[in-house]
Amino acid sequence: EAEVAQSPRYKITEKSQAVAFWCDPISGHATLYWYRQILGQGPELLVQFQDESVVDDSQLPKDRFSAERLKGVDSTLKIQPAELGDSAMYLCASSPRGAGGQSNEQFFGPGTRLTVL
Amino acid sequence: GENVEQHPSTLSVQEGDSAVIKCTYSDSASNYFPWYKQELGKGPQLIIDIRSNVGEKKDQRIAVTLNKTAKHFSLHITETQPEDSAVYFCASSGGSYIPTFGRGTSLIVHP
Repeated sequence: EAEVAQSPRYKITEKSQAVAFWCDPISGHATLYWYRQILGQGPELLVQFQDESVVDDSQLPKDRFSAERLKGVDSTLKIQPAELGDSAMYLCASSPRGAGGQSNEQFFGPGTRLTVL
Repeated sequence: GENVEQHPSTLSVQEGDSAVIKCTYSDSASNYFPWYKQELGKGPQLIIDIRSNVGEKKDQRIAVTLNKTAKHFSLHITETQPEDSAVYFCASSGGSYIPTFGRGTSLIVHP
């Protein structure tokens, strides 16, 4: 069964350092999402891609966060510099929904647990 | 933007009992309502979803109901088992296709 892959699974870093997370969506899925999930809360969307284009990044703190999906396949989320408040689970999800189509099921990866010391 | 409220935050039941989790949403344009189960250390997994043109959907022990007029939808789990213990999230999306999640319900099923 196809799955969304994420790495690393766990990351510990010191504040002011740079971190990067990688996501490989299910093959053929055009839509890719990055979420941040703080302990005890639901996932919050950071950025949504349709192929290689950003559909929505209104909740992405652009002063320190960046995301790219250069070839419309895998994606990288970067934080520079990391702050204590960035400690959370970072989830990647993909969906077969096409542009302009109805909302469809999202398939989530296992997440990257970030701890900032 | 969309606002999704989920209740209760914690639900404790005995094995074999039913469990009900309720969510309300604010955007009348929302038309897709998925429910996710998240086990410790894992990503959310879709367990059932419903679209706005349907009032109820069942899949074995799980059912979801939608009341568009009242803007609320509910998850019903019957004959609960210990392996149903997890955090459950509702979500809604629609006009903007941006999904909004509830804060989650921690379901504990006691053997």
